[in-house]
Amino acid sequence: NAGVTQTPKFQVLKTGQSMTLQCAQDMNHEYMSWYRQDPGMGLRLIHYSVGAGITDQGEVPNGYNVSRSTTEDFPLRLLSAAPSQTSVYFCASSYKRGSLNTEAFFGQGTRLTVV
Amino acid sequence: QQQVKQSPQSLIVQKGGISIINCAYENTAFDYFPWYQQFPGKGPALLIAIRPDVSEKKEGRFTISFNKSAKQFSLHIMDSQPGDSATYFCAASINSNSGYALNFGKGTSLLVTP
Repeated sequence: NAGVTQTPKFQVLKTGQSMTLQCAQDMNHEYMSWYRQDPGMGLRLIHYSVGAGITDQGEVPNGYNVSRSTTEDFPLRLLSAAPSQTSVYFCASSYKRGSLNTEAFFGQGTRLTVV
Repeated sequence: QQQVKQSPQSLIVQKGGISIINCAYENTAFDYFPWYQQFPGKGPALLIAIRPDVSEKKEGRFTISFNKSAKQFSLHIMDSQPGDSATYFCAASINSNSGYALNFGKGTSLLVTP
C-alpha cells in the first residue's frame, strides 16, 4: 500500500493563479480531509469528506474548493491564489472502527508558495 | 478559536530525561485524543491515542495521562532519546456521523540533547 499520496510536493504560484493539489489513498478509507500547517498555528482543517459525493467545510475553507467523485481521490482547488495561502498542505484519510474514530493517515505534504 | 491549547511551545530535554507536554480542551463532546509526531519535511504520524474511558495509556516509552474532570491530557516520554527530537501535536475529535475532524494544538518542538 502506498498510503496517502500527495502531488506535487512543491509549487510556486503567482497571485491570482489557480491550481489543484492532488490527494489519493489506496486504503479504502471513507473519510478524507485537507489541513494547512502554518508556523506556530498547528494544523487547521480546510475541508473534509465523509464519502464519495459528500463534502463539508472545516475551520478555514475560504478560497478553497473540494470534490469527492471517488473513494480514492480528494483534490483541493485554489480558485485564485493569494499570498495568505502560502502554507504546507496535508491530506489525510481515516476510517471508523464501528462508531469510533481511529488513526488518521497523513500524506507527505505539499509546500505551496504564492508570490 | 483554538479548541485545544498546548504547552510548552518548545522543550529541551537531556538524553535519558522525561519530556512532558500538556494539552487542555474546553469542548466536553471530544471523545478521542491522539498525539501525533512530525519530523521535518514529513507528514504527522500517530504516536499514541486515548479515549476518555481510561485515565492512562502506555505504549513503550510513551504515556498519555488523561484527566476528564480537568479537561486536560498530557504526553510523557520516558528515557527521552535524540531520535525523539520532533514536533508533537495533541489533538481532539468527536465521534459523529457527520465526519472526522481533528482539532490540533499548536505543537511543541522537542529537542533531546545527547
